[in-house]
Amino acid sequence: DIQMTQSPSTLSASVGDRVSIACRASHDIRNELVWYQQKPGKAPKRLIYGASSLQSGVPSRFSGSGSGTEFTLTISSLQPEDFATYYCQQHKNFPWTFGQGTKVEIK
Amino acid sequence: VQLVESGGGVVQPGRSLRLSCAASGFTFSTYAMSWVRQAPGKGLEWVSVVYSPPGSTYYTASVKGRFTTSRDNSKNMLYLQMDSLSPEDTAVYYCVACFDWLSRDFWGQGTLVTVSS
Repeated sequence: DIQMTQSPSTLSASVGDRVSIACRASHDIRNELVWYQQKPGKAPKRLIYGASSLQSGVPSRFSGSGSGTEFTLTISSLQPEDFATYYCQQHKNFPWTFGQGTKVEIK
Repeated sequence: VQLVESGGGVVQPGRSLRLSCAASGFTFSTYAMSWVRQAPGKGLEWVSVVYSPPGSTYYTASVKGRFTTSRDNSKNMLYLQMDSLSPEDTAVYYCVACFDWLSRDFWGQGTLVTVSS
């Protein structure tokens, strides 16, 4: 199975900060990676597909980069509604696998 | 688009449970349908997917041989038959519809399964 490892597990930041979340795959997954945002008690929402393409309707302050085994989700200017948990997921091989999540907290 | 899961509840270890997901608002037969679960306070875990056609299914290792995913395109329904349940299967189970990885996907609100004696 392909293991997905996110870092950090928790990130404390302030409104307006630029934040980055890393996701590492145990094997080359090309660009077959998506990013999700999940708020407490809610279903996840996909933000990024193809490692770097913004899903329709997602604010442009979100961006994704990377390919192969190293990926990054960046929020250019953190907004109050962005405090949530973020997950990467690979869909290169079955079983599809998620990272363990990164919680973005208010500093 | 609406996905409504049902069938969750409290079940004893070793017993079975069947989850259902009723889909509406999109062409169900053209979407791959997945189950994703989330244990209380934990992260997301992909469980299974069923394609249509030809109905191919794939599972994560921890449920293979115990869980069976199926769909009925005539009823716009997705199912998850869960056998030999263990406490480690306790989670909110989400139904997810995905046309392809470029288009947005759709998630249900989830149904809670608690495996406890």
